[in-house]
Amino acid sequence: DGGITQSPKYLFRKEGQNVTLSCEQNLNHDAMYWYRQDPGQGLRLIYYSQIVNDFQKGDIAEGYSVSREKKESFPLTVTSAQKNPTAFYLCASSTGRSGSRYEQYFGPGTRLTVT
Amino acid sequence: AQTVTQSQPEMSVQEAETVTLSCTYDTSESNYYLFWYKQPPSRQMILVIRQEAYKQQNATENRFSVNFQKAAKSFSLKISDSQLGDTAMYFCAFMIGIQGAQKLVFGQGTRLTINP
Repeated sequence: DGGITQSPKYLFRKEGQNVTLSCEQNLNHDAMYWYRQDPGQGLRLIYYSQIVNDFQKGDIAEGYSVSREKKESFPLTVTSAQKNPTAFYLCASSTGRSGSRYEQYFGPGTRLTVT
Repeated sequence: AQTVTQSQPEMSVQEAETVTLSCTYDTSESNYYLFWYKQPPSRQMILVIRQEAYKQQNATENRFSVNFQKAAKSFSLKISDSQLGDTAMYFCAFMIGIQGAQKLVFGQGTRLTINP
């Protein structure tokens, strides 16, 4: 079945450590996205990528980094510079092409806790 | 800047009742898309319904329908014959195209509880 996988579901790290969240899709989508969700809030865009080897900052990119070496993969690194890293992180993808239905498909998310 | 406002943090209704969730947005764009997403306790984001701004006809998907008022920048979701499985967070979202990708701007959500 086609879809988006994120691993792990729960992640625990000590303050000061970098951590990388995995996102893989087999939908053959060109565009991929990372969102952050905090309690009582909607999703906010961290980074997005429309094509391999290219990505752009979203609204809250500070303290995060990404790479897009393969079409299927868009890992997110939460660096020690991120002041409040504890959150729920969602990865999404879309075809990215005009004329499409523009639907973004979401992965199951990763809950990151930093202590 | 594009913003989305959901003025009802929480709502609760009895099973089989009809419920309407409110959403307003602000944009200077003329062509855009609007969505309602559902996030059940599993936290999986599920698309409920979409509306293209250039279409005057309101979208419907089975028990879910929208009331899209473009001039008022309003996009409410109506759930008819509500079911226990409709219990979830509901997010209104506005989409604009950005360099071949699409940016979603979300509201803060409405927590909907369907009571038996």
